[in-house]
Amino acid sequence: KQEVTQIPAALSVPEGENLVLNCSFTDSAIYNLQWFRQDPGKGLTSLLLIQSSQREQTSGRLNASLDKSSGRSTLYIAASQPGDSATYLCAVRSNTGNQFYFGTGTSLTVIP
Amino acid sequence: SAVISQKPSRDICQRGTSLTIQCQVDSQVTMMFWYRQQPGQSLTLIATANQGSEATYESGFVIDKFPISRPNLTFSTLTVSNMSPEDSSIYLCSVGGSGELFFGEGSRLTVL
Repeated sequence: KQEVTQIPAALSVPEGENLVLNCSFTDSAIYNLQWFRQDPGKGLTSLLLIQSSQREQTSGRLNASLDKSSGRSTLYIAASQPGDSATYLCAVRSNTGNQFYFGTGTSLTVIP
Repeated sequence: SAVISQKPSRDICQRGTSLTIQCQVDSQVTMMFWYRQQPGQSLTLIATANQGSEATYESGFVIDKFPISRPNLTFSTLTVSNMSPEDSSIYLCSVGGSGELFFGEGSRLTVL
């Protein structure tokens, strides 16, 4: 069964710093990988979707990379802002069926 | 992308009662899912809501506790029956389109 791990569980950085969030998965047979943002008590907002054939995707200050063979993805946030404070989750979709596997998330705090 | 409306957004319920959560999507979708997120935890899939047939439940979730309806391709309901404090969670409706997942704002239930 696919297992998705996110390290660190929590991260605190000063405003303006660049940072990297990590996502690891055990089964490389994935269809795609998606990064989400979740504010406290709210739903998930999709940030970036990377298909299994892609290496990276960019949106504004966010860049997500995918190394399927090693079972790893990173989310790079440039010039962090207090408004970036949230929990970030990654999810992988299996190659077969409609199974989505979620990581446990990284709670990010950007200090003004 | 899909716009998903969920209601209620939050509620406080008494032990032993039931509550129905509604999920409305602004377009027709094939895949619709219900997730639960317990405090401090990641997402757990409850069931896949199938249009015109019975929902497909994940291990550990049963229809008597979490009955689901999906009368058409844009609407679904999840009922949490005979609630206990352990059911206090955020319940999330999600739809899949082209392999990408979209979420509603979630329904935050507190059971006293």
